[in-house]
Amino acid sequence: EPEVTQTPSHQVTQMGQEVILHCVPISNHLYFYWYRQILGQKVEFLVSFYNNEISEKSEIFDDQFSVERPDGSNFTLKIRSTKLEDSAMYFCASRQAGFEQYFGPGTRLTVT
Amino acid sequence: AQKITQTQPGMFVQEKEAVTLDCTYDTSDPSYGLFWYKQPSSGEMIFLIYQGSYDQQNATEGRYSLNFQKARKSANLVISASQLGDSAMYFCAMREGQLRSQGNLIFGKGTKLSVKP
Repeated sequence: EPEVTQTPSHQVTQMGQEVILHCVPISNHLYFYWYRQILGQKVEFLVSFYNNEISEKSEIFDDQFSVERPDGSNFTLKIRSTKLEDSAMYFCASRQAGFEQYFGPGTRLTVT
Repeated sequence: AQKITQTQPGMFVQEKEAVTLDCTYDTSDPSYGLFWYKQPSSGEMIFLIYQGSYDQQNATEGRYSLNFQKARKSANLVISASQLGDSAMYFCAMREGQLRSQGNLIFGKGTKLSVKP
């Protein structure tokens, strides 16, 4: 069964460093999302991406965040200058034209 | 105001019994979708069930069913015949607007379900 994959599973970085989180959505899906979940809290929407552009973003998704779909398969989230409060699980999700969003296994980002 | 409210931070259920996890939502959009996801201790988010606002019948998927009461704005998840593997966090989520919209999900705070042998 096709699935969303994310790499790395765990990323440790120092405050102020740039990180790039990688996602490979399900191949025939059209809509792509990033969410984050701070430890023990609820999942929060960051950004949605469709037709090679950002379609919606939350107030969390400020200028230090960016997304890219550099080729036909990858979907990346870049955090330019990480802060301690960026430590969280980051989930990529995708969907086709239907309702269900399929989530990847997540990348745990730890900022020290 | 919270868009998705899950009032039960934690629930216990005996193996093989049924359990209901509560979810209420708040939206003025006539078109919306309601989802339940399971998050085991390993951290991944597993889609369980979906209910559209215009669906006439309650959604069912195997042992999962969604008790959709539109007038009360509730979308409770019912798990029948609980299994030890059902122990996990369960999140209720909502998508507002037509399907052609981008459809980001709004999540509740979750309910931690523990199944006792």
